[in-house]
Amino acid sequence: GQQLNQSPQSMFIQEGEDVSMNCTSSSIFNTWLWYKQEPGEGPVLLIALYKAGELTSNGRLTAQFGITRKDSFLNISASIPSDVGIYFCAGLHTGTASKLTFGTGTRLQVTL
Amino acid sequence: SAVISQKPSRDICQRGTSLTIQCQVDSQVTMMFWYRQQPGQSLTLIATANQGSEATYESGFVIDKFPISRPNLTFSTLTVSNMSPEDSSIYLCSVEDYSAGRTDTQYFGPGTRLTVL
Repeated sequence: GQQLNQSPQSMFIQEGEDVSMNCTSSSIFNTWLWYKQEPGEGPVLLIALYKAGELTSNGRLTAQFGITRKDSFLNISASIPSDVGIYFCAGLHTGTASKLTFGTGTRLQVTL
Repeated sequence: SAVISQKPSRDICQRGTSLTIQCQVDSQVTMMFWYRQQPGQSLTLIATANQGSEATYESGFVIDKFPISRPNLTFSTLTVSNMSPEDSSIYLCSVEDYSAGRTDTQYFGPGTRLTVL
């Protein structure tokens, strides 16, 4: 099935740095969701975006719904060691019975 | 958000056997979903499970291999049948949560890590 392209595939950063990652699609989505998955756990919802151009924050995390509706961005400010994990974007088309399409994931490593 | 639990959390099985995974939600939900996450990969939707009707399977997944039950609005099971090592994956259930008044946001259970020898 279709997957969304996420970049970068992995990141190694130092504690305190800001992080940016993005997700792109060849088709339009009406909802964008960002999840974080830690080893041995299920994905945890971080931010949900429902409108083109929308900018939403959750603590140090900020995500944006791209104006073309074909992309989304996630920023993490002042990273800390517990930010380590895999970040997935997921998109939803209206009228597809809530079938999420997932991105390929961005693996984040934070060094002290 | 809804609290989702899965049993077992992990299992090691022999090829040719079957394993049934349970998903329990603490509130009634209309739609439940089953995903597979192969090692080092992203999530792929297996099927949508609606109460009172047969599950709807995605391309590449068939009912004989992944039978699903949905006896009520808080519970579902996924069976992985006649397992082979290629079935080694994390299996996750998810639900839509209407508590925020929306139907387009999904929450995931902790997953079942399956290893087939």
